[in-house]
Amino acid sequence: SQQGEEDPQALSIQEGENATMNCSYKTSINNLQWYRQNSGRGLVHLILIRSNEREKHSGRLRVTLDTSKKSSSLLITASRAADTASYFCATDAEDDYKLSFGAGTTVTVRA
Amino acid sequence: DAGITQSPRYKITETGRQVTLMCHQTWSHSYMFWYRQDLGHGLRLIYYSAAADITDKGEVPDGYVVSRSKTENFPLTLESATRSQTSVYFCASSEGQGEDGYTFGSGTRLTVV
Repeated sequence: SQQGEEDPQALSIQEGENATMNCSYKTSINNLQWYRQNSGRGLVHLILIRSNEREKHSGRLRVTLDTSKKSSSLLITASRAADTASYFCATDAEDDYKLSFGAGTTVTVRA
Repeated sequence: DAGITQSPRYKITETGRQVTLMCHQTWSHSYMFWYRQDLGHGLRLIYYSAAADITDKGEVPDGYVVSRSKTENFPLTLESATRSQTSVYFCASSEGQGEDGYTFGSGTRLTVV
């Protein structure tokens, strides 16, 4: 069964707006990662946040992690048409290295 | 995706046939994974490997076989294809729990008719 669940399932925004998506998971984790998948392509790693971190930035991406609530959020600022993709959170358990993925959030950025 | 190659890109096969999906990585990553992606299910882990000659079942291993005789190759075989195995299959590799996460191949779209 999936460890992570993203919310919302789909998101449509105007270019220049911010996009926020959330991920909830069930069991204790080592790391939480976010991936992007463009249509018909493989997943691309965006950012990793460790369980002892609360916030991390990479370019226009901001990730937060709240281990007490078992949740994470991904914020994409100043969105562009090229950000149109599906975004997945993935977690690995404390004693494991394999990733469990959620079903993803589909983001559409309108020009 | 540079460094990890899946073949074929598309495959149509008949029910009951054996089919092998290939995965090759050039980074000498220790870990390799096979996932399938279906609408509504996200990615589900089929098999994974921590090193050559070490493989383990994932969430949905039934009907699949893997081998890893060399670090760089991790083929996935469907022993007797069924329509429920119609899916997009992704291979991935990683070097443990590092900051770079997994690197994914471009996927194989398999249709079983």
